[in-house]
Amino acid sequence: GAVVSQHPSRVICKSGTSVKIECRSLDFQATTMFWYRQFPKKSLMLMATSNEGSKATYEQGVEKDKFLINHASLTLSTLTVTSAHPEDSSFYICSARDWTSGIYEQYFGPGTRLTVT
Amino acid sequence: EDQVTQSPEALRLQEGESSSLNCSYTVSGLRGLFWYRQDPGKGPEFLFTLYSAGEEKEKERLKATLTKKESFLHITAPKPEDSATYLCAVQAGVANTGNQFYFGTGTSLTVIP
Repeated sequence: GAVVSQHPSRVICKSGTSVKIECRSLDFQATTMFWYRQFPKKSLMLMATSNEGSKATYEQGVEKDKFLINHASLTLSTLTVTSAHPEDSSFYICSARDWTSGIYEQYFGPGTRLTVT
Repeated sequence: EDQVTQSPEALRLQEGESSSLNCSYTVSGLRGLFWYRQDPGKGPEFLFTLYSAGEEKEKERLKATLTKKESFLHITAPKPEDSATYLCAVQAGVANTGNQFYFGTGTSLTVIP
């Protein structure tokens, strides 16, 4: 149980375009989803937390107008990188948690490798 | 300031050579400590949750323990397939809020055949 998927696994886009990454909880309802960014050989950096049906809470230094997060349902959250630039190239990972069932663990998706050319 | 520190940063072991990874934390209101395994280019895979000092959990060759200041991940007779980065995360704060995980920087484990 507790499977989280992400799509796409890899994406290459041109500078200035927008990219959408989907995160789905497959076998549980995710009341809270998190988006992380990870640089090579570094730990995970939390970008934002989203609760279903409400606006995301962004960490300090993360541009909310650049990284749009929508948690539209209990099984789906999306991260849209708008007007992408090469410095946005990174490994993006989502995770999900279900507060209502008392599950405190975060279950992670497989990640999305974004390359902006 | 809440903080999670993992050591060593990297560890090379011979197959069968047991060892331990450390995760030290300073947080207010610990709600849980979590161990994850991450393979290159993949998302972290959940291993264990520990909630209170004295708690232990085991899974195959791995055993996680928790004190009031740190957690250890013991690896007994490791195999090459245990090679990965092991991440420790701590959840702190008030229950049922959007409180975040504080991640350590990980220990990169290499097990040599």
